[in-house]
Amino acid sequence: GAVVSQHPSWVICKSGTSVKIECRSLDFQATTMFWYRQFPKQSLMLMATSNEGSKATYEQGVEKDKFLINHASLTLSTLTVTSAHPEDSSFYICSARDIEGGEYIYEQYFGPGTRLTVT
Amino acid sequence: AQKITQTQPGMFVQEKEAVTLDCTYDTSDQSYGLFWYKQPSSGEMIFLIYQGSYDEQNATEGRYSLNFQKARKSANLVISASQLGDSAMYFCATAPSNDYKLSFGAGTTVTVRA
Repeated sequence: GAVVSQHPSWVICKSGTSVKIECRSLDFQATTMFWYRQFPKQSLMLMATSNEGSKATYEQGVEKDKFLINHASLTLSTLTVTSAHPEDSSFYICSARDIEGGEYIYEQYFGPGTRLTVT
Repeated sequence: AQKITQTQPGMFVQEKEAVTLDCTYDTSDQSYGLFWYKQPSSGEMIFLIYQGSYDEQNATEGRYSLNFQKARKSANLVISASQLGDSAMYFCATAPSNDYKLSFGAGTTVTVRA
């Protein structure tokens, strides 16, 4: 149980185009999902918190108009990188909290990540 | 805000030996959780172990144990009987009780030698 999927697993796009990444909780409902960004050999940096039915909360320094987040249902959150540039190339990971809670109060389930390359 | 410090960028360990990964944290929250995750080269984040700030017993999960020293704000991970498959990046993280947002340390790369 507690599986989170991401699609696509990797994507290459041209500079100036937009790309959408999906994060789905497959066997549980998630009111809250988190989006992280990770550069090679670096740590995960939280970009934003996605809440079902409301606007996402962005971390300081993250451009909300560039990284559009939509949490349309209890099982799906999407991250759209608009007008992508080579510096947006990164590994994007989502995580989700089970609406029912988990074994641990703070438990999050991570997706497998999406590797974005902007050429 | 929370800050996690992992001072060991990389470590080598011999197969079947134990290794300790250091983690110190700085938080003003009274209630928080501490986590360790493993990230192999494939990229997925694998949850290893959890310690609650009010838990008096150190957490253990199989070959993983967490040496929690609250006064020192330290949460070191001990991996016993290392296996070749343990080679990966290891992240320490913390989350406060009010918003569950995880803050990660810089990570430690562990390489297990045969």
